[in-house]
Amino acid sequence: GQSLEQPSEVTAVEGAIVQINCTYQTSGFYGLSWYQQHDGGAPTFLSYNALDGLEETGRFSSFLSRSDSYGYLLLQELQMKDSASYFCAVGNQAGTALIFGKGTTLSVSS
Amino acid sequence: DAEITQSPRHKITETGRQVTLACHQTWNHNNMFWYRQDLGHGLRLIHYSYGVQDTNKGEVSDGYSVSRSNTEDLPLTLESAASSQTSVYFCASSATTGGTNTEAFFGQGTRLTVV
Repeated sequence: GQSLEQPSEVTAVEGAIVQINCTYQTSGFYGLSWYQQHDGGAPTFLSYNALDGLEETGRFSSFLSRSDSYGYLLLQELQMKDSASYFCAVGNQAGTALIFGKGTTLSVSS
Repeated sequence: DAEITQSPRHKITETGRQVTLACHQTWNHNNMFWYRQDLGHGLRLIHYSYGVQDTNKGEVSDGYSVSRSNTEDLPLTLESAASSQTSVYFCASSATTGGTNTEAFFGQGTRLTVV
């Protein structure tokens, strides 16, 4: 089966940098995805890493180390609107159904 | 624009009743999924489908069923609603890319309360 561990809460101030870690266990690895969900909203896709290394998309970056079964989401120049829950996810045995971690709630204060 | 829509957005039902939640997508995606979200548990996979006539059980499938008669729709049925099934339900879809993860698009969710 699959399991993912991520911190339940992270707090930071505007303009800061925050890193949300995710460790996973899976029988077959098809990449690590990250999703953002604002209160009352639907999860939305942020990034996907299939290979080791850093992927950068604007203020957000995602890193993967397959040998360590570890990844992280890096959020830079934090803004109040970044306050949300962030989920890491891996594919199930067939690779196409996402299994999610329990989520990390990020609170950004001024 | 392509979209994925869920109905109803809110529903209150009684214990023991059969309930069906609708999910309709216009992305023409082969893959469709149902998740439930509860505080402290994140998103848990209920059922999923890779195409017409294909359905598969997820992590928490007991008490739920799905059917896929066309590409656009994957209705979720609670055979006999229980209070433990009070939750927010999300439907999602994604394109098939040969077995690798792709971006999943989520509906706005259905808040179901079983009393």
